[in-house]
Formats: sequence, structure tokens, C-alpha cells
Amino acid sequence: DAGVTQSPTHLIKTRGQQVTLRCSPKSGHDTVSWYQQALGQGPQFIFQYYEEEERQRGNFPDRFSGHQFPNYSSELNVNALLLGDSALYLCASSLAGGSGETQYFGPGTRLLVL
Amino acid sequence: AQSVTQLGSHVSVSEGALVLLRCNYSSSVPPYLFWYVQYPNQGLQLLLKYTTGATLVKGINGFEAEFKKSETSFHLTKPSAHMSDAAEYFCAVSVPDSWGKLQFGAGTQVVVTP
Repeated sequence: DAGVTQSPTHLIKTRGQQVTLRCSPKSGHDTVSWYQQALGQGPQFIFQYYEEEERQRGNFPDRFSGHQFPNYSSELNVNALLLGDSALYLCASSLAGGSGETQYFGPGTRLLVL
Repeated sequence: AQSVTQLGSHVSVSEGALVLLRCNYSSSVPPYLFWYVQYPNQGLQLLLKYTTGATLVKGINGFEAEFKKSETSFHLTKPSAHMSDAAEYFCAVSVPDSWGKLQFGAGTQVVVTP
């Protein structure tokens, strides 16, 4: 059973560019959450998708947007990249419904903005 | 809003010695609590979680944690450290009706010395 997968593994962009990161959830999971982990810090919640809708959002600007497809896979888009967007971006999948549900994390995409 | 504080950003422990990682939380409602481990260049893996019921929770790799409501704590322990326990550990909290949104602590880096 494949776990959560993310692509690409690494990415280098320049300021002002746009980037798209992709995530495939664990088999059977219908909810995808995205987190940003800056170097030396804990992950910060960006947003969560369920039934192709953004269900909740953390304290991130509108430059961060996403999408969920009918097969539950998801994309994270970041526009007008800033140096401060350099981080490890983690995708997590879970089953809908309970806050006690375990979130399963992918290996992440490491983004470097120059 | 809820928050998590992990005491000690770095912990050094001898192989075979007790591992103790401290986590305190703040929440206005009964929380769900999690410990995740992150190995270098990897995503997060769940060690254990507390939702309801027994306050002493056993997890993978010999780790356990005890939920103490009176102390608002969820400290992680392992009786005997192995070299393979060297990693970063994150405590996280979510609350009911938050659809599993996780609030992470800043993390504790564990170094195991021979």
C-alpha cells in the first residue's frame, strides 16, 4: 500500500516566480492538508482540502492556493515567490470526520527560492 | 486557540539511557495530542497519539507518553535509547471540530551518544 507521495522532491525557483507542488494521498484517504516547515521550526498549517473544497485555512496569504481533484490528489500553488517561502512543504492525508484521526505525512518537497 | 511548547530544542542522551522529551500544551477544550518523529530528509511519522480513554499511551519503537490534564503535559519517554532514535521529535495538538488541523511545537532534536 503506497503511502503519501509528493513531487517533486526538490525545487529551485527565483523570486517572483510561481510554483506548483503535488501530492497523492494514502489509499482510501479523502482529506489532504498542507504544511510549511521552515528550517529549524515545526510545521505550520497552510490549508486543508476535502471534497474538492478548501475546508479551512491557516495564517497564510492569498499567494498560497490549492486544489483537490476528484481522485483526492492535491496541488499547492504559490505565486510571486519570496525568499521567505523557502521551506519544506509537507502534505498529509487522513480520513474525513474526526480531529483525532491520524494524519499521514509524505516526504515533502524542499523549495529553495533564490 | 491552542498552542504547544516543547522544552529544550536539543537533547543529548547516552545509548541505553532514558529518553525524556517534554511537551506542554494550551487549549480551552479537551485536546487531542500527538508525537511525531522526523528523520533527516524525511516526512513526519506518527509515534503515538492520545484522543480519549487511557492516559498512558504506548507507541511504536518503545516510546510512550502520558497525558496529564492537571499539568497540561504530554511528555514522551523511552526507557533505553538506541542510536536509531536520533531524530527530531515534534509534539502536536488538535481539538475537536478542527478537522484534524495540527498545531506543532518547535521540535526537539535528539542526539544519541555511544
